[in-house]
Parts: sequence; structure tokens; C-alpha cells
Amino acid sequence: EIVLTQSPATLSLSPGERATLSCRASESISINFAWYQQKPGQAPRLLIYDASTRATGIPARFSGSGSGTDFTLTINSLEPDDFAVYFCQQRSDWPLTFGQGTRLDIK
Amino acid sequence: EVQMVESGGGLVQPGESLRLSCVVSGLAFGSSDMGWLRQAPGKGLEWVAAITSASESSRHADSVRGRFIISRDNSKNTLYLQMNSLRSDDTAVYYCAKGLIRWAFDIWGQGTMVTVS
Repeated sequence: EIVLTQSPATLSLSPGERATLSCRASESISINFAWYQQKPGQAPRLLIYDASTRATGIPARFSGSGSGTDFTLTINSLEPDDFAVYFCQQRSDWPLTFGQGTRLDIK
Repeated sequence: EVQMVESGGGLVQPGESLRLSCVVSGLAFGSSDMGWLRQAPGKGLEWVAAITSASESSRHADSVRGRFIISRDNSKNTLYLQMNSLRSDDTAVYYCAKGLIRWAFDIWGQGTMVTVS
């Protein structure tokens, strides 16, 4: 199965700063890749699909990049609502797999 | 407004069965690929099963294959997950979700808790 490795495990930043989250796939997955945000007690929310396309209603401060094996989620000018856990997911091959998550904490 | 409401979770003993349901409204269910995903307490996300819009194809994770079956009834706008031979490591919140471009998941239910103990 395709293994997704997210880094860092925890990222501590202040509101207004820029967050850069990474996800590396164990083999090439083209752009068959997505990012999700999850807050405590809530279902995940799709942020980005096809590596760089924002989902409906997602603010422009969220952007995704990458292809092949290396992917990045960038959140510009962090807002208090952005502090959450972020997961990556590949849909290139079965089984669908997720990264282990990056926790974005308020510094 | 799109709603996806899961039900059927609960506390069961190892070896028992449960059937989860997910009733969908506010979107074209019959044209939507669907999936079940789960999250064990304090853990990450795990894909469980997926089914295409007209049930022409379904897939299951290795961890549940042979025990769980995904199905749907488009006339009732309902997705199902039949879970048999439940084990303690099946304990999780189970989410139904709508597939986008096979297979990101763009709309999620609120989840239903399954505890096997």
C-alpha cells in the first residue's frame, strides 16, 4: 500500500504567520492527493483535492502544491480558526490511505 | 442543505454484528460515489469501504474484507455498512462520506461511534 508520511508531527505558530505542512508518498501518485482539516469532535473537512484545487468554500489563504511524491499545504496568515489537525490522503491506488496527521498548535 | 446522518452505532461484544446506516439528503445521492471511513479514539483516519453510484463496484480495506460489506439503496438515499465478526480494533467513530473525483471525500456525516468490548 502507498504510505503517506506527514511532517512535522506538530507545528506551533502564531496567528498571522504562515504554516507549511508536508506530506510524502512512498511512491508516485501524480496529483491524486487531498488535504483535510479536522477539529476536535468534528468530522474532517476537505480543503484541497487534486493536489492544488481548493474545495468549495475554502478560503484562498489555503493552497496546495506538489505532484509525484512530495506535497505541501500552505496556510497564509493563520487565523485562530485554522489551528487543528491536518491529514493528507492519496486516491491513486487501493487501499486509499491517509497520513498520520500534523497538529497545528497556537504558539 | 446537504445532510448525511449516520446511525446504528453502539456497544457490542467481540464477534457480534452491527449495521450502520447513512441517510443522505440535499444532494443527488444516486449519482454520488460513497464511502465509509473510521477513526479510532485519538488516532488518524482510516478508509474502510467505498461503493460507486450505481453499486457497480465496491472495495473494502484489507482489515475488514470478509467481515464488512458496503451497500446502498438509492431509492432510500441510504448507504449501509454491515459489520460482522466485530473485533476490539474495530472500535472507532465511523463516518460516511461522499466521494469526489473517485476518491477524495468532500462531504462527511457527523459520525457514529462503534465500541467493541
